[in-house]
Amino acid sequence: EAGVTQSPTHLIKTRGQQATLRCSPISGHTSVYWYQQALGLGLQFLLWYDEGEERNRGNFPPRFSGRQFPNYSSELNVNALELEDSALYLCASSRLRDAAPLHFGNGTRLTVT
Amino acid sequence: QKEVEQNSGPLSVPEGAIASLNCTYSDRGSQSFFWYRQYSGKSPELIMFIYSNGDKEDGRFTAQLNKASQYVSLLIRDSQPSDSATYLCAVKGGGGADGLTFGKGTHLIIQP
Repeated sequence: EAGVTQSPTHLIKTRGQQATLRCSPISGHTSVYWYQQALGLGLQFLLWYDEGEERNRGNFPPRFSGRQFPNYSSELNVNALELEDSALYLCASSRLRDAAPLHFGNGTRLTVT
Repeated sequence: QKEVEQNSGPLSVPEGAIASLNCTYSDRGSQSFFWYRQYSGKSPELIMFIYSNGDKEDGRFTAQLNKASQYVSLLIRDSQPSDSATYLCAVKGGGGADGLTFGKGTHLIIQP
């Protein structure tokens, strides 16, 4: 079965711009999670979507937002980019609403200059 | 604030030996525990998960859970150079309201 796919692989933006990251979960998985992994830091929980709705968000400002589409794919938007937003953004999916384990995509490396 | 603590390492282990990775967590209501392996620049890969106290074995890997001590460990037997990576401990609470809480990871180096 195909794994979690993310696009683009790399994204370079300048400060103040907007970035859009995309994720397709494993077939049959309805929950999508977004994590940020900045250099030298652990994975920080960003957002959780299930059945098209945002179920929870981590301790990030509102300029981090997203949505989940009817086919369960998801989009993460980061507005007004700041230099410290440079990180690896990981999407993960799971089969059940509140169950793990999570299966990760290969990530999008966002660089803000 | 849920916390998951791991020694960042690096932990250096000779090839063929047993590597022991440890993790403690703060939320006593945590229900599920996971170990992920992450190679540099790559995404985390699930290795093991454990829900009940005791040991769970899968090939060369053994996960150990002690809920009373809020302690999880991962043992890797017959360590291989390909096991060199960062190992992330992740914990999930009982409420299901959020994703996994990750530790910062332990960098493991297997010396040939």
